[in-house]
Amino acid sequence: EPEVTQTPSHQVTQMGQEVILRCVPISNHLYFYWYRQILGQKVEFLVSFYNNEISEKSEIFDDQFSVERPDGSNFTLKIRSTKLEDSAMYFCASSEVQGGISPLHFGNGTRLTVT
Amino acid sequence: DQQVKQNSPSLSVQEGRISILNCDYTNSMFDYFLWYKKYPAEGPTFLISISSIKDKNEDGRFTVFLNKSAKHLSLHIVPSQPGDSAVYFCAAGGAGGTSYGKLTFGQGTILTVHP
Repeated sequence: EPEVTQTPSHQVTQMGQEVILRCVPISNHLYFYWYRQILGQKVEFLVSFYNNEISEKSEIFDDQFSVERPDGSNFTLKIRSTKLEDSAMYFCASSEVQGGISPLHFGNGTRLTVT
Repeated sequence: DQQVKQNSPSLSVQEGRISILNCDYTNSMFDYFLWYKKYPAEGPTFLISISSIKDKNEDGRFTVFLNKSAKHLSLHIVPSQPGDSAVYFCAAGGAGGTSYGKLTFGQGTILTVHP
């Protein structure tokens, strides 16, 4: 069964550094998302992306965050200047269509640790 | 964000019995609801969904019930198997013109099925 793949599985970075988290969504999916889960907290929505632009973003997704689909397969999340509170599990997801209930398929996540 | 709540942090069930996981929500504008299962070190895996216009959806051993007047949904797993042991998340979406795929998650319930 096709799956969403994320790399790296674990990223350690120093405060103030830039990180790029990478995702390869399922190939025929058109909608892409980033979610995160801080340890002990809920999974929370960051951003949705369709047709090469952001559809919606949460208040967490401030100017330090950006997303890009640089080619036909990758979908990236960049954090320009990481803060300690950015430490979390970041999940990429994709879905096939809009309308009806097209479930989001999640990757296994990237654990980001900011020191 | 308390719009989706799973009030039971954990549930323990004997193999072969029914598992009932509960979820409450406050936003009557949610259009659809989904249940996800999550194993450690993996991303959430889609289980089953239900539209707000339905009150029941069944898929094999999994049935989701929606009670709109009570703003409550539940996931029934019959019969429960040890491999069902995981964290179960309730998620809701489609509220008030938000983009598709912006899901609000509950905090999860840890299900343990004993052999």
